[in-house]
Amino acid sequence: SQQGEEDPQALSIQEGENATMNCSYKTSINNLQWYRQNSGRGLVHLILIRSNEREKHSGRLRVTLDTSKKSSSLLITASRAADTASYFCAGAGGGNKLTFGTGTQLKVEL
Amino acid sequence: EAQVTQNPRYLITVTGKKLTVTCSQNMNHEYMSWYRQDPGLGLRQIYYSMNVEVTDKGDVPEGYKVSRKEKRNFPLILESPSPNQTSLYFCASRPLGYNEQFFGPGTRLTVL
Repeated sequence: SQQGEEDPQALSIQEGENATMNCSYKTSINNLQWYRQNSGRGLVHLILIRSNEREKHSGRLRVTLDTSKKSSSLLITASRAADTASYFCAGAGGGNKLTFGTGTQLKVEL
Repeated sequence: EAQVTQNPRYLITVTGKKLTVTCSQNMNHEYMSWYRQDPGLGLRQIYYSMNVEVTDKGDVPEGYKVSRKEKRNFPLILESPSPNQTSLYFCASRPLGYNEQFFGPGTRLTVL
């Protein structure tokens, strides 16, 4: 079963704008991770937030986690054309098994 | 260079013809996993392995087999492929006790 449902499925913005993606999950997690996938290629880990954390920053990335609502958001600030990719959340539950969401396709236009 | 490699990268085959997709990692990771990616469904785990000779089913194991005879290799075997196994397959690895997974470049499989 899918752990994460992501919203929106697709997002198109202009370069320099912020991009926000949301993820909801169903079961308890130890941590939630975000990955990026360039078209047809392997996923690359971006950032991890633990279940006892509420917010985390890494460069232009900001992740929040609300365990009471079973939701997380990824904010990319000052987006660039190179940020164009699909973004996936993945919840790590028992045994650190990762269960992925369906992804958000982000397009950043010049 | 630390990496996960998969072969082949692209494969077109016919129903029922046994095939193996290889996965190898050079990072001495204990944990390895196979996923398939389908449009609108995200990534779904097929099988995973916590260490040599230790494998377990993921969410969609039907029609697949795996083996873990060596730490670095985790081949995915389709004994009798069917068209519904047409998909993009990813292998991933990580050290035990560590959260980030490292993904291979993917294998695009088409079963006619």
